[in-house]
Amino acid sequence: EAGVAQSPRYKIIEKRQSVAFWCNPISGHATLYWYQQILGQGPKLLIQFQNNGVVDDSQLPKDRFSAERLKGVDSTLKIQPAKLEDSAVYLCASSLDIGGTDTQYFGPGTRLTVL
Amino acid sequence: KNEVEQSPQNLTAQEGEFITINCSYSVGISALHWLQQHPGGGIVSLFMLSSGKKKHGRLIATINIQEKHSSLHITASHPRDSAVYICAVKTGNQFYFGTGTSLTVIP
Repeated sequence: EAGVAQSPRYKIIEKRQSVAFWCNPISGHATLYWYQQILGQGPKLLIQFQNNGVVDDSQLPKDRFSAERLKGVDSTLKIQPAKLEDSAVYLCASSLDIGGTDTQYFGPGTRLTVL
Repeated sequence: KNEVEQSPQNLTAQEGEFITINCSYSVGISALHWLQQHPGGGIVSLFMLSSGKKKHGRLIATINIQEKHSSLHITASHPRDSAVYICAVKTGNQFYFGTGTSLTVIP
C-alpha cells in the first residue's frame, strides 16, 4: 500500500515570496491533516479536512496560509507571502475514519526554509 | 501551560535497558497517540489508545484516563530505537502535541 506522498521534499524561498505544498493521502482515507513542525517543537495542527470539507482550521494563520482539498483526495497548502518564522517542516497525514481517533499515517514532510 | 507535557525531554540509555517515557495531559480526550520520529525522517504512528494497554513487539503503551497520564515503555532497548517520541491527544476536533522525548540508545 502506498503511503502519504508529499512534494516537494525541500524548498528554499525568500521572505515575501509565495510557496505551495502538495499532499496525496493514502487511497480511501477520508481525513487529511496539515501540520507545521518548527525545529525542536512538536507538530502543530494547521487544518483538518474530512473529504473536501474543513473540520478545523482554528490554528491556520488565514492572513497568509490557505489550504484546499477540492475533490476530497489530494490537497495543497499555500503560504503567501512567507515570513521568516514560517521556516518549518510541513507534514501531511491521513486517516481512514472521520472521527480522528484512527491511526494517522504521516508523509515525509516538506522542509521549508525562508531566507 | 501546554496541554500535553512529556518527560523526560532527553533520555540516554544503554542497549538492553528498559525505558519509560511519560505523558500527562490536562484536557478531556477521545484518543491519545504515541508517535516516533527519526532524525531527518518522517513520523510513524506507534499506538492509538483510548483506554487500557497496547503492546506491539518490544513497545508497550498504557493510559490511565482518570489520572490523565500515559506511558510508553520499550523493553530490551536497541540503538535503532533512538528517535524522538511524541505524545499527542485529540480533544474535540483539535490535536495537541507534546514537544517530544529525544531517546538515544548507546550500544
